[in-house]
Amino acid sequence: GENVEQHPSTLSVQEGDSAVIKCTYSDSASNYFPWYKQELGKGPQLIIDIRSNVGEKKDQRIAVTLNKTAKHFSLHITETQPEDSAVYFCAASRSFQKLVFGTGTRLLVSP
Amino acid sequence: DTAVSQTPKYLVTQMGNDKSIKCEQNLGHDTMYWYKQDSKKFLKIMFSYNNKELIINETVPNRFSPKSPDKAHLNLHINSLELGDSAVYFCASSPRGVAATQYFGPGTRLLVL
Repeated sequence: GENVEQHPSTLSVQEGDSAVIKCTYSDSASNYFPWYKQELGKGPQLIIDIRSNVGEKKDQRIAVTLNKTAKHFSLHITETQPEDSAVYFCAASRSFQKLVFGTGTRLLVSP
Repeated sequence: DTAVSQTPKYLVTQMGNDKSIKCEQNLGHDTMYWYKQDSKKFLKIMFSYNNKELIINETVPNRFSPKSPDKAHLNLHINSLELGDSAVYFCASSPRGVAATQYFGPGTRLLVL
């Protein structure tokens, strides 16, 4: 089955810096890669996703890149703000299969 | 309007008790899920229902039984609660079967004493 590894487990940056979180997946048939943000005491919320027919996707300060050959994908957050502090999860799945989540990255943005 | 809601938000109970968690979604989605998040924040799927039919049943003790009375509701009943069941349980829904965008509820924090 699918296995998703996520790094780093903790990331501390200064406000205004960029943050990068990386994930690798094992199932070459996976074709859907969402990223979720979980704030303290809340459920995960989708922030961006990418499908395997696209190499990069941007939405304002966040972007996701996908390298199908290497089976890894990354989340990039530019101009970080304190409100970006949260736990971020990557996930992967193939069509009509379950989402498999990474182990999470705790991002702390210091003012 | 809350898209995916869960009740209760907190649940503290004794070992051996039976408890239920309810989930409702008003998004018109066909597919609903239960996830367990442990103390290390690891998220793992437990069950998934599509239009009231069970489609994913992970390796979960049979003390856990999901029930879907209609496609807007997916409840989780847990028998004979154990200490290791303490976790946060999330309900989620998605529009068109597994692998579509999933929307999560706020979670139910279960503590078994």
